[in-house]
Amino acid sequence: GAVVSQHPSRVICKSGTSVKIECRSLDFQATTMFWYRQFPKQSLMLMATSNEGSKATYEQGVEKDKFLINHASLTLSTLTVTSAHPEDSSFYICSARDGSANTEAFFGQGTRLTVV
Amino acid sequence: GDSVTQMEGPVTLSEEAFLTINCTYTATGYPSLFWYVQYPGEGLQLLLKATKADDKGSNKGFEATYRKETTSFHLEKGSVQVSDSAVYFCARRGSNTGKLIFGQGTTLQVKP
Repeated sequence: GAVVSQHPSRVICKSGTSVKIECRSLDFQATTMFWYRQFPKQSLMLMATSNEGSKATYEQGVEKDKFLINHASLTLSTLTVTSAHPEDSSFYICSARDGSANTEAFFGQGTRLTVV
Repeated sequence: GDSVTQMEGPVTLSEEAFLTINCTYTATGYPSLFWYVQYPGEGLQLLLKATKADDKGSNKGFEATYRKETTSFHLEKGSVQVSDSAVYFCARRGSNTGKLIFGQGTTLQVKP
């Protein structure tokens, strides 16, 4: 299947700083990317959906000013956690697809964020 | 709203035992159904899928059949291995939005 690369795999940052997570589609054009958050031993919660060249659509309850999503090209989307706090510590996973809603989405490896 | 419900884990089995992980979904429209597997510290990998009623998805010895009448998509494997130890997620995808909605995940532990 297609490859989605997420970087970094782990990051530790100080409270109050910002962290950027990258999600790249390596061998296809990702017209749509999804960002998920996963709490320990829980399911994935969709945070936002981004289409290349347009603003992201955030799910209810997700602060768009805190979780900045940029999808400037067909192969790269970034999630920036601004002014991070310990409660933002989580596992963040991106997925990407090329094409319509019925096209399979491929997942990145995930990023473990720890805010100290 | 749309939802997916999985049996709670953890599920602990001995090697070569039979596995069933139950999954049911809300019946809004005609969703596609998926099983994903997540190994420790990694992202999700698609295990199998079914896009319409009575379809059977299969991969690596795992199977699941799309049952519209019971709105279920139970995952089965006849003989599990230690390497199957992971978290398994059932998911549905709406045909209009393309969004995946996940169940809560079921941890499988297979002991030698």
